[in-house]
Amino acid sequence: DGGITQSPKYLFRKEGQNVTLSCEQNLNHDAMYWYRQDPGQGLRLIYYSQIVNDFQKGDIAEGYSVSREKKESFPLTVTSAQKNPTAFYLCASTRGRESDEQYFGPGTRLTVT
Amino acid sequence: GEDVEQSLFLSVREGDSSVINCTYTDSSSTYLYWYKQEPGAGLQLLTYIFSNMDMKQDQRLTVLLNKKDKHLSLRIADTQTGDSAIYFCAESNGYSTLTFGKGTMLLVSP
Repeated sequence: DGGITQSPKYLFRKEGQNVTLSCEQNLNHDAMYWYRQDPGQGLRLIYYSQIVNDFQKGDIAEGYSVSREKKESFPLTVTSAQKNPTAFYLCASTRGRESDEQYFGPGTRLTVT
Repeated sequence: GEDVEQSLFLSVREGDSSVINCTYTDSSSTYLYWYKQEPGAGLQLLTYIFSNMDMKQDQRLTVLLNKKDKHLSLRIADTQTGDSAIYFCAESNGYSTLTFGKGTMLLVSP
């Protein structure tokens, strides 16, 4: 089955620790995205990548980092510099054409205490 | 900058029609989308409309676009309890990213 996987579903970390969220897709999509979702805030774009070894900042990139070494993988690191890291994180991918659907993963809920 | 606005909550009875509204500010929007999110899950595309269309129908879903007023609506006919979810409006302006609204929570009561 083709799709996007995110792991783990729930993640708990202590304040001050970096944490990496996994996103893998086997859809052969070129473009991948990371969003953050907070209650009542909708989706806000963190980073996106249209091609391997290239990525761009979204609207709220501060305190986050990404890499795109392989087409199928786009991991997100939440660093200790992110002031409010507790949120629901969603990964998405698309072939890259404007009319194409963004396919979403199931999300990772990160809780930092 | 681009902005997409939606009402936050809608409550209907099973069997009624639901209408979820969205306004956007970017006049260069080319595609407009409706996504559905069930609790604790990712988003799923329901339908989309190209900006040169004013209506699109897909089974129980009808999308209406008023480009002059930058207003988009999603009508769900014969709403079922399984339609309870958060519905997001999103726009694309020709670049590779989407701008999402904050979502409308639809609650369908039996």
